Amino acid sequence: QVQLVESGGGVVQPGRSLRLSCGASGFAFSTYSLHWVRQAPGKGLEWVAVISYNGINKYYGDSVRGRFTISRDNSKSTVYLQMDSLRGEDTAVYYCAKDRASFGVGEVDYWGQGTLVTVSS
Amino acid sequence: AIQMTQSPSSLSASVGDRITITCRASQGIRNDVGWYQQKPGKAPKFLMYSASTLESGVPSRFSGSGSGTDFTLTISSLQPEDFATYYCLQDYTYPYTFGQGTKLEIK
Repeated sequence: QVQLVESGGGVVQPGRSLRLSCGASGFAFSTYSLHWVRQAPGKGLEWVAVISYNGINKYYGDSVRGRFTISRDNSKSTVYLQMDSLRGEDTAVYYCAKDRASFGVGEVDYWGQGTLVTVSS
Repeated sequence: AIQMTQSPSSLSASVGDRITITCRASQGIRNDVGWYQQKPGKAPKFLMYSASTLESGVPSRFSGSGSGTDFTLTISSLQPEDFATYYCLQDYTYPYTFGQGTKLEIK
């Protein structure tokens, strides 16, 4: 079955960096786009970024563009989110999620359990 | 970015009721909408894609409709396990955007 396991969350000071990882199994990783979605405490879902199946195309939400970088290593079935210049408003649970469409674009179907990032001095 | 305006933000209903949640897009997005259910402390669960196609395993009491700018999620007869928060998502273009969510509570 599809499994997505995030790691790398924790407490970080404003202005610092953090890298999240998401290990995947149970599907043909190299044929699907992967997303990051976040949820601030008590708030709704916010789409953060996506990377295409081959790593060539990357898109970002308005609030993180220029500060966050998504990447992937298909040999390790892992997707990453490098978060730089962190702000208090980046505090959230970060979910890794799989695209529904193989070699295409579509909705997010499977989600990981999430990893909490807290930005605080 | 495309805005998804979801309503109502909260809803109280009873077991057996029929309820409808609405999402309106700020521009036409064909039928590129998905719906999600989220329970406290859990990751969202995928319910539906392409506005009206149920994901495998989702009960048939859930249904969706819409095209262009207006979309609805309907639960025909609420069950105790359906009380949760629901979100729509547009996947027409990047950046993807979610609705603000609808919290469905037991009356």
